[in-house]
Amino acid sequence: DIQMTQSPSYVSASVGDRVTITCRASQGIVTYLAWYQQKPGTAPKLLIYAASTLQRGVPSRFSGSGYGTEFTLTISSLHLEDFATYYCQQADSFPYTFGQGTKLEIK
Amino acid sequence: QVTLKESGPALVRPTQTLTVTCALSGFSITTNGVRVSWIRQPPGKALEWLARIDWDDAQFYSSSVRTRVTISKDASGNEVVLKLTNVDPTDTATYFCARMAVATNIFDLWGQGIPVTVSS
Repeated sequence: DIQMTQSPSYVSASVGDRVTITCRASQGIVTYLAWYQQKPGTAPKLLIYAASTLQRGVPSRFSGSGYGTEFTLTISSLHLEDFATYYCQQADSFPYTFGQGTKLEIK
Repeated sequence: QVTLKESGPALVRPTQTLTVTCALSGFSITTNGVRVSWIRQPPGKALEWLARIDWDDAQFYSSSVRTRVTISKDASGNEVVLKLTNVDPTDTATYFCARMAVATNIFDLWGQGIPVTVSS
């Protein structure tokens, strides 16, 4: 199975800050990588797919990049509604696997 | 409106079979190209993909539950069912069904999830 490792596991930031989350795959997955946002008590929401393509309706302050084994999710200027947990997911091969999550908390 | 909605028991006893149902609205699992997966999330933990079923009835399973899980669809194409046999407390989780985006292995639409506790 492809292992997905996110860092950091927790990040504390303020409204307006720029935040970057990293996701590393245990083997190359080209750009078969998605990012999801999950708020407490709700289902994950797709933000980015194919490593850098923004899902329709997602604000442009979210961006993704990367190739192979290292990927990043960047939020350029945090809004209050961005405080949540973020997961990466590899879409390259079975079984589909997720990172352990990065919880973005308000400082 | 395109939605998915999970239903099932809130509590299951150890060794019993968990059956959760995903009701599809606005689309059908029998339409060419449609795929639906089940994903679970133990309390406070990460997401784990369990199984996928395709419009042509192809089924795919995670090795972690392969010997205990079955995914199926009803004849009308409006429901996808997950059965997990011989459950134990480690199967306690919120179970989500999710539609997979066309031609990619990502989950573009999720149900609200159903929390299931395995306890005697």
